[in-house]
Amino acid sequence: NAGVTQTPKFQVLKTGQSMTLQCAQDMNHNSMYWYRQDPGMGLRLIYYSASEGTTDKGEVPNGYNVSRLNKREFSLRLESAAPSQTSVYFCASRPGQGHGYTFGSGTRLTVV
Amino acid sequence: GENVEQHPSTLSVQEGDSAVIKCTYSDSASNYFPWYKQELGKRPQLIIDIRSNVGEKKDQRIAVTLNKTAKHFSLHITETQPEDSAVYFCAASPSGGSYIPTFGRGTSLIVHP
Repeated sequence: NAGVTQTPKFQVLKTGQSMTLQCAQDMNHNSMYWYRQDPGMGLRLIYYSASEGTTDKGEVPNGYNVSRLNKREFSLRLESAAPSQTSVYFCASRPGQGHGYTFGSGTRLTVV
Repeated sequence: GENVEQHPSTLSVQEGDSAVIKCTYSDSASNYFPWYKQELGKRPQLIIDIRSNVGEKKDQRIAVTLNKTAKHFSLHITETQPEDSAVYFCAASPSGGSYIPTFGRGTSLIVHP
């Protein structure tokens, strides 16, 4: 069981470039999430997908888009990267409400 | 919406001592309270959780207590070891709506050998 797999692990972008962060889970979980983690700010929710076919905005959605490709995969896209998007991004999944998250290993993104 | 406050932000103990981290929440409808441990440079990992119909839960050296009346819950680590050094996050999940948990800001626990 791989759990939650995120790619890439590290990425450096120039301002204005675009990229997609990939996330896949093999636990048959219904719900998937994207968080960003910045020093002193804890974990902030960007977007989530409560079930296949649905997506919703979280606390900090501006500058991001998501796609729930199927039950396993949930991608995060930065259309035009900005230095403020420099962060560590975590994908997470869970069976549904009332359960804890399983996190991926994270993507460390630097925008210069 | 829910508001979760976590204290202290930093906790330094000697190996073998106990450590207690406390979180308070504002929404009395919250009914699920997980705790996560994040070692430096690693992903957060669920270490223990408690539901609102239970007052205490133990798993070896860690325990969580919940006081629904006072709306606070605490993580207790006994006989601390250097490998317990990490950032610990609490969260409170609502029983309705989006069911999205609200996280505390984290506690950096340092266990000195």
